[in-house]
Amino acid sequence: DTGVSQDPRHKITKRGQNVTFRCDPISEHNRLYWYRQTLGQGPEFLTYFQNEAQLEKSRLLSDRFSAERPKGSFSTLEIQRTEQGDSAMYLCASSLSRREQYFGPGTRLTVT
Amino acid sequence: KQEVTQIPAALSVPEGENLVLNCSFTDSAIYNLQWFRQDPGKGLTSLLLIQSSQREQTSGRLNASLDKSSGRSTLYIAASQPGDSATYLCAGLLNAGNMLTFGGGTRLMVKP
Repeated sequence: DTGVSQDPRHKITKRGQNVTFRCDPISEHNRLYWYRQTLGQGPEFLTYFQNEAQLEKSRLLSDRFSAERPKGSFSTLEIQRTEQGDSAMYLCASSLSRREQYFGPGTRLTVT
Repeated sequence: KQEVTQIPAALSVPEGENLVLNCSFTDSAIYNLQWFRQDPGKGLTSLLLIQSSQREQTSGRLNASLDKSSGRSTLYIAASQPGDSATYLCAGLLNAGNMLTFGGGTRLMVKP
């Protein structure tokens, strides 16, 4: 049984660099979500896909952020021109339609 | 806009004690509510999911209840153990929404 996986688990980058994260959902799940969590806070929604279509984006998702799910399977989240405020844990989740969401281990991003 | 609040923010109890964690939400049009556990630096583990038509769900020593009319959910942990020490998060999915809205979490420490 494979759950949601994310890669890398940790990423340290310098301000201004671009970073890309990958999420592999549970195979039969048609929905995939990205959330961001800062220290001491609950996760906040960024965006979600149903199959390959990106159906909703939060206002938190600035123009520097882009997400894709090209074949309705894995997804990537790219942050361009990183800023120190982007430092956070980026969490991916998947679900079968509107059922229970299962989360991955997260990618911790540190921007120096 | 849905707002989710968890009180207390932190809780310390001796091993063996029964305890209740509280979650309140402002919009009663809940589709479902999930309780999660998060260990430091890790992803979220789903503990219980309560559908809007249900009043409670049980899993082992955990029991979660949902009262939509009062905008409250509780997570009851029986006979707490040091291994229960973690942050517990509740999150609601609205009837008209597609993302989970999280509370800030309750950080639980169970002392041996």
